[in-house]
Amino acid sequence: EAQVTQNPRYLITVTGKKLTVTCSQNMNHEYMSWYRQDPGLGLRQIYYSMNVEVTDKGDVPEGYKVSRKEKRNFPLILESPSPNQTSLYFCATSGSYNSPLHFGNGTRLTVT
Amino acid sequence: QKEVEQNSGPLSVPEGAIASLNCTYSDRVSQSFFWYRQYSGKSPELIMSIYSNGDKEDGRFTAQLNKASQYVSLLIRDSQPSDSATYLCAILTGGGNKLTFGTGTQLKVEL
Repeated sequence: EAQVTQNPRYLITVTGKKLTVTCSQNMNHEYMSWYRQDPGLGLRQIYYSMNVEVTDKGDVPEGYKVSRKEKRNFPLILESPSPNQTSLYFCATSGSYNSPLHFGNGTRLTVT
Repeated sequence: QKEVEQNSGPLSVPEGAIASLNCTYSDRVSQSFFWYRQYSGKSPELIMSIYSNGDKEDGRFTAQLNKASQYVSLLIRDSQPSDSATYLCAILTGGGNKLTFGTGTQLKVEL
């Protein structure tokens, strides 16, 4: 079954404690991206990757890091989380940059 | 001006009616347009994609694109309570490497 798998689904942490949200896809997609979703602000892109070892900033990259060492995985790293990063995060993939996105199930992050 | 604008709603329609959802955009060179449906607490799922001017129909859904007026719309015929969700308009912007989402329109289909 084609899917985008994010882990964990829920995460509560404290300010400053490094965390990683994983994203893995089994569709051999070139394009992967991370979005955060906040009430009234909609989905905003954090980072995207056109291919292995190629990543670029989206609209709200501050406080986040990503890496794309292999095609199937695209982890999102928060080196020093802050309360304003409390949000619902989605990983999304597509076969190419202009194809529809397939979303993971989301990760609800709370930073206290 | 926001890149992609939608009325947040809620838009309430009776069961069986036609729901009309609208979206305007600012990037004149946009070429790819998508509608996603998102149930509360769930991830967005693709409903329709449209790439050229005119109408595209898929079952009860019709997407309409007018590039000259810079708007894209989604019609849902014979609306069902299960259609109650937030509908997100998404447009490929920034030279074609970024999908920009509107904030979504909440649709409520009432019995």
